[in-house]
Amino acid sequence: QVQLQESGPGLVKPSQTLSLTCTVSGDSISSGSYYWTWIRQPAGKGLEWIGRIFSIGSTNYNPSLKSRVTMSVDTSESQFSLNLSSVTATDTAVYFCARERWDLLNGGSAFDIWGQGTPVTVSP
Amino acid sequence: DIQMTQSPSSLSASVGHRVTITCQASQDISIYLNWYQQKPGKAPKLLIYDASDLEPGVPSRFSGRGSGTDFTFTISSLQPEDIATYYCQQYDNLPRTFGQGTKVEIK
Repeated sequence: QVQLQESGPGLVKPSQTLSLTCTVSGDSISSGSYYWTWIRQPAGKGLEWIGRIFSIGSTNYNPSLKSRVTMSVDTSESQFSLNLSSVTATDTAVYFCARERWDLLNGGSAFDIWGQGTPVTVSP
Repeated sequence: DIQMTQSPSSLSASVGHRVTITCQASQDISIYLNWYQQKPGKAPKLLIYDASDLEPGVPSRFSGRGSGTDFTFTISSLQPEDIATYYCQQYDNLPRTFGQGTKVEIK
C-alpha cells in the first residue's frame, strides 16, 4: 500500500531555512488524482495546513506562510519537499506530509494517507 | 479563511456510551467536511469524508452528518481504543482548515 515518510533535520537555527522531504512508496507520485501536502502541528495544539503540490509542480500555499514557503516535487525520486525560510520558534512543530485525494466528479477531497510526522525544533 | 469551531474541547464518557462532537463552519461549506482521529504520537487518521461517508475499514460505530455550517460526529458505543483527539476539516476552500480538536477520554 502507499506509504509516506518524512525526512530532514530535527533542529534548525532561527532565521535559517527548514527543509523537509517526503518520500512516497507503493505507488507513483504521478498517478491518480492526488495533491501532495504538508501539515504541521505544534506540541499540544491543532493542525495547520501549510500547502500542497501537484505532480506537475503547481502549488497552493497557506496565505499565512506564503511569503516563506516553497514546495517542489521530484517525480523520478517519488519525493516532494518543503522549504520554510526565516524560521522562528513559532515554527517548532511536528511536520506531516499527507496525500490529499480528490474526486473530479463530485469535488470530494480528503487527507487519506499520512506520514508518521517528523518533529522540528527551531532553537539556537 | 473558513473558521471551524468544534465543541466541546474535551469530554469524558463511559465505555459503551454515545459520544457526540459538533463542528461549526464560519460559512456554508455544503458537505465538504471530513473527520479525523489522532492518537497520541501518531498521525491523524481519516474516519469520515464528505460529512457522512465512512472511510473503508473504519468501524461502523463512527458516523457523521450535517451540511451547510453545522455538523456532528458520533461514536455510537465508545470503546477504549477510541481514546483520541478528533478533528473536523473543511475542504470547501483554500486554505484547508481544521477545528481545534476534541479530546475524548474514558470516564
